[in-house]
Amino acid sequence: AQSVSQHNHHVILSEAASLELGCNYSYGGTVNLFWYVQYPGQHLQLLLKYFSGDPLVKGIKGFEAEFIKSKFSFNLRKPSVQWSDTAEYFCAVSLNDYKLSFGAGTTVTVRA
Amino acid sequence: DVKVTQSSRYLVKRTGEKVFLECVQDMDHENMFWYRQDPGLGLRLIYFSYDVKMKEKGDIPEGYSVSREKKERFSLILESASTNQTSMYLCASSYTNTEAFFGQGTRLTVV
Repeated sequence: AQSVSQHNHHVILSEAASLELGCNYSYGGTVNLFWYVQYPGQHLQLLLKYFSGDPLVKGIKGFEAEFIKSKFSFNLRKPSVQWSDTAEYFCAVSLNDYKLSFGAGTTVTVRA
Repeated sequence: DVKVTQSSRYLVKRTGEKVFLECVQDMDHENMFWYRQDPGLGLRLIYFSYDVKMKEKGDIPEGYSVSREKKERFSLILESASTNQTSMYLCASSYTNTEAFFGQGTRLTVV
């Protein structure tokens, strides 16, 4: 069974700091990759996705992620965070089927 | 905009009760999912369905069943609720090989 690992459980940053969240998955075949965000009290929303093509993917709100196939990784980055980026972030992976598997999530707290 | 609607935001049930959680999507998606979300564990897949009347077990199906009689509706059933099923339940839908859209969640407390 595939698994998704997120390296950090809780990250605390100051505004304007750079953010990088790690994500690794265990399956070696063709995968689709996603980052979702859950702001306090809101439902899960898609930040960005990778299906094929350019391994550097840009998403909403200034986020980007890089797919490195040799490292089975899909790390999320943002050069300069804002207080409004405080949220929980989830990495997710699907094979060429229907099942979408999630990591345990990383809580990001941005201090003003 | 895609809309995934879960019937209840908050629910309190007694141990041993049969519980129904309902989910409706308005985008004609073929795939629908039920997850539970617990702190430190992320989202864990309970069941998913890729077509009407079709279902597949996810990672933690024990104690749950599902029903999909119509394409837009996917129900999660707790046959006999237990306190360890207290959790946030999330429904999602998608086309195959596209992103999933999530409902607002149902916070279930079993007492």
